[in-house]
Amino acid sequence: GAVVSQHPSWVICKSGTSVKIECRSLDFQATTMFWYRQFPKQSLMLMATSNEGSKATYEQGVEKDKFLINHASLTLSTLTVTSAHPEDSSFYICSARPSTTAFNSPLHFGNGTRLTVT
Amino acid sequence: AQKVTQAQTEISVVEKEDVTLDCVYETRDTTYYLFWYKQPPSGELVFLIRRNSFDEQNEISGRYSWNFQKSTSSFNFTITASQVVDSAVYFCALSRGGNSGGYQKVTFGIGTKLQVIP
Repeated sequence: GAVVSQHPSWVICKSGTSVKIECRSLDFQATTMFWYRQFPKQSLMLMATSNEGSKATYEQGVEKDKFLINHASLTLSTLTVTSAHPEDSSFYICSARPSTTAFNSPLHFGNGTRLTVT
Repeated sequence: AQKVTQAQTEISVVEKEDVTLDCVYETRDTTYYLFWYKQPPSGELVFLIRRNSFDEQNEISGRYSWNFQKSTSSFNFTITASQVVDSAVYFCALSRGGNSGGYQKVTFGIGTKLQVIP
């Protein structure tokens, strides 16, 4: 149980275009989902907390207009990288925990999306 | 502020050797949670263990064992008789205790890349 599906697994796009990444909780509802970014040989950096039905909470230094997050339902959050540039190339991972579990329960992660901007 | 330090960025061992991955954390909270996650080459993060700050009992699960010592703020992970399938990046993580939304964030270490050589 507690499966998180992320799509696409990888995407290549041209500079200036926008890319949407989907994160779905397949067998549970998640009021909150988290978006992480992972640079090569670096840790996972929390970008934002996606809240169902309300605005996302962005971490310091993350451009909210650049990384648009929408959490339209209890099972779906999307991250849109707008006007992508090569420096946005990275590995993006979403995570969630069931709304019925405690805040300190383990996160369940999607498989990640490898974004390459040419 | 919370911080997780994994001083070993890369470790190589020969199959069947034991290996210990170090994790040192910093927090001002008296209640907190520690985690270990495994990230195989495929990219997804797999939850391995959670430990709360009040439970210093060591844990063993098959070839995996964890040593939690509050006195040294360490939560080390040992793999006994390592196998090639253990090759992955291992992340130590920390989250705050509490029951409000602000306690949902998880802070990750930089990760330790383990390579088990056949």
